[in-house]
Amino acid sequence: DTGVSQNPRHKITKRGQNVTFRCDPISEHNRLYWYRQTLGQGPEFLTYFQNEAQLEKSRLLSDRFSAERPKGSFSTLEIQRTEQGDSAMYLCAGTGGSRGYEQYFGPGTRLTVT
Amino acid sequence: GESVGLHLPTLSVQEGDNSIINCAYSNSASDYFIWYKQESGKGPQFIIDIRSNMDKRQGQRVTVLLNKTVKHLSLQIAATQPGDSAVYFCAEISSDNNDMRFGAGTRLTVKP
Repeated sequence: DTGVSQNPRHKITKRGQNVTFRCDPISEHNRLYWYRQTLGQGPEFLTYFQNEAQLEKSRLLSDRFSAERPKGSFSTLEIQRTEQGDSAMYLCAGTGGSRGYEQYFGPGTRLTVT
Repeated sequence: GESVGLHLPTLSVQEGDNSIINCAYSNSASDYFIWYKQESGKGPQFIIDIRSNMDKRQGQRVTVLLNKTVKHLSLQIAATQPGDSAVYFCAEISSDNNDMRFGAGTRLTVKP
C-alpha cells in the first residue's frame, strides 16, 4: 500500500455523461501526476501539478478533460461528454518530499464508457 | 530467460531461473530511470531506480543495468518466483521537466 488512494475504483458511465475522479496523495507529495493506461500499454502522462499549480498538460488532455488541485493536496480529474475511447485506467501518482523522484501510484480508477 | 522489451512483450521463465527484462529508452536527456512492477488490477509499484551517473544498481534479488551509449536499460531478477509474475515497465525522467515516460512493458510469467 503506497498510501495514495483513488476514488472511485470503478466507474461505468454512458457516452456523453461527465465523470469526476479523485486522488488523495500522502501529505508530503508536493508533486502529483495523472496518467491514463489502456490494456497492455504503459501509463501515458496526462498532467502534472507542483503543489496547486498545474505545470504541464499532455496533448492527450483534450479540452474535455480538466484537472484541479485546489489546495495542493487532493486532486480531481473531470472528463466531460465522455466518449468510448476514454475507457481506460486512470492512475495518479504522488512524489516529492524525502523520496525525490520516486512516484507512488494509487490503485487507479477504471472507467468504462458504454 | 531474456526479453527484448518492446519487440517481445512476454517472457516466460521457470521458477528459480534468473530473468532479464530489457528496455530501450528514447530521450538522451533522461537522467533518472525507474523499473515498475504492475500486477493485474493494481497501480505500478516501484522496484528499483538508477541515476544516469551510474551503470549498475543492486537491490534485493534485482539489479538494474544502464547503458547510456545505446540508451538501454535492463532489469535482472535473480531466482525468479511465482510472485514475480507481472508486467514490468521501465520509465525515464528528465530532471528538466519532471515528466516520466513509460515503455510499453513486458509481461513476465513464472512457471512453477
